[in-house]
Amino acid sequence: EPEVTQTPSHQVTQMGQEVILRCVPISNHLYFYWYRQILGQKVEFLVSFYNNEISEKSEIFDDQFSVERPDGSNFTLKIRSTKLEDSAMYFCASRQGGTGELFFGEGSRLTVL
Amino acid sequence: EDQVTQSPEALRLQEGESSSLNCSYTVSGLRGLFWYRQDPGKGPEFLFTLYSAGEEKEKERLKATLTKKESFLHITAPKPEDSATYLCAVQEGADGLTFGKGTHLIIQP
Repeated sequence: EPEVTQTPSHQVTQMGQEVILRCVPISNHLYFYWYRQILGQKVEFLVSFYNNEISEKSEIFDDQFSVERPDGSNFTLKIRSTKLEDSAMYFCASRQGGTGELFFGEGSRLTVL
Repeated sequence: EDQVTQSPEALRLQEGESSSLNCSYTVSGLRGLFWYRQDPGKGPEFLFTLYSAGEEKEKERLKATLTKKESFLHITAPKPEDSATYLCAVQEGADGLTFGKGTHLIIQP
């Protein structure tokens, strides 16, 4: 069964460092997303990406965040200068159309020290 | 005010004891209501999408229903492996889903 894959599964970084989280969405999907979940809290929408551009972003997705689809398979989330409060599980998700089933990856746990 | 409210926050059932989880929402233009299962340290696992009031979907011991203000996830004769956090989310006008805080379900053998 096709699945969304994410790397790394866990990354520990120092405050102020840049981090790149990687995702391989399901191959025939056209819409890509990043969500985050701080420990013990609800899943929160960060950004959606379609046709090589951001289609929507939340208030959380400030200038420290960026997304890119560098090739035909990868979808990345970059945090330019990490803060302690960026510590969370980051989930990539993809779907075929603008509505319908949305499939999540297993997540990348980011710990900022 | 939260757009998606799930209740109860936690529920402990005996194996075989059926129950329902509630998700109430306050969005004006619902494009879809989603149910997910999440195990500790894992990503949300897709269960159902419902689009209009009156719609129902079933999968094994789970059945999801939708009205204009809320959705129910009915669990029939649950087993210990059904223990997880069940998440409800809504899609309004734009792309992103808005999630509730979830219901933490424990099924005791």
